[in-house]
Amino acid sequence: QQQVKQSPQSLIVQKGGISIINCAYENTAFDYFPWYQQFPGKGPALLIAIRPDVSEKKEGRFTISFNKSAKQFSLHIMDSQPGDSATYFCAARPGGSYIPTFGRGTSLIVHP
Amino acid sequence: EAEVAQSPRYKITEKSQAVAFWCDPISGHATLYWYRQILGQGPELLVQFQDESVVDDSQLPKDRFSAERLKGVDSTLKIQPAELGDSAMYLCASSLEGRYNEQFFGPGTRLTVL
Repeated sequence: QQQVKQSPQSLIVQKGGISIINCAYENTAFDYFPWYQQFPGKGPALLIAIRPDVSEKKEGRFTISFNKSAKQFSLHIMDSQPGDSATYFCAARPGGSYIPTFGRGTSLIVHP
Repeated sequence: EAEVAQSPRYKITEKSQAVAFWCDPISGHATLYWYRQILGQGPELLVQFQDESVVDDSQLPKDRFSAERLKGVDSTLKIQPAELGDSAMYLCASSLEGRYNEQFFGPGTRLTVL
């Protein structure tokens, strides 16, 4: 059973455009929602994270939008750059647990 | 910048053979994690150590997988015998004690079982 559903599987964006990746969850015990960025040949790296008590968190060009009632959250990459080309994973972690459950990942390609 | 080290980076083996992966966490990180990442999917936890003790190995296939962290520093993950379905990326991560939200991942070992 996939606890965190991520879409799209792949995304192609032109330089300067907005990249949007969506995730949905069912488990209401989740209370921490990180996003990871993974480049080829590298392990995932924490990009940005949010807790359900806020609806939006912004760090530079990266923004998480969180909709608690819909049990959905999304990553927005503004002014996308070729260097943003990577695989992005959303994740969710229940309170009292140390380990996040990952989505299947989105392969983002930003064309110059 | 301190990084999690893993070796080998790539491993090709035949089924029924034994394989071992090594991980050296960031210095001072008491918590160490082994994940398996199947192609096209997100990482899934196999085992978590706090110092030399196993905290969670509920997802570790114990009939063929074993993990140890004898001195509470570096760690070894072993598979014996390897099966075709074990082909995946094996990732090691570490974090400071209590800082579970800040896991630092190594580059991984890509295992191919023929």
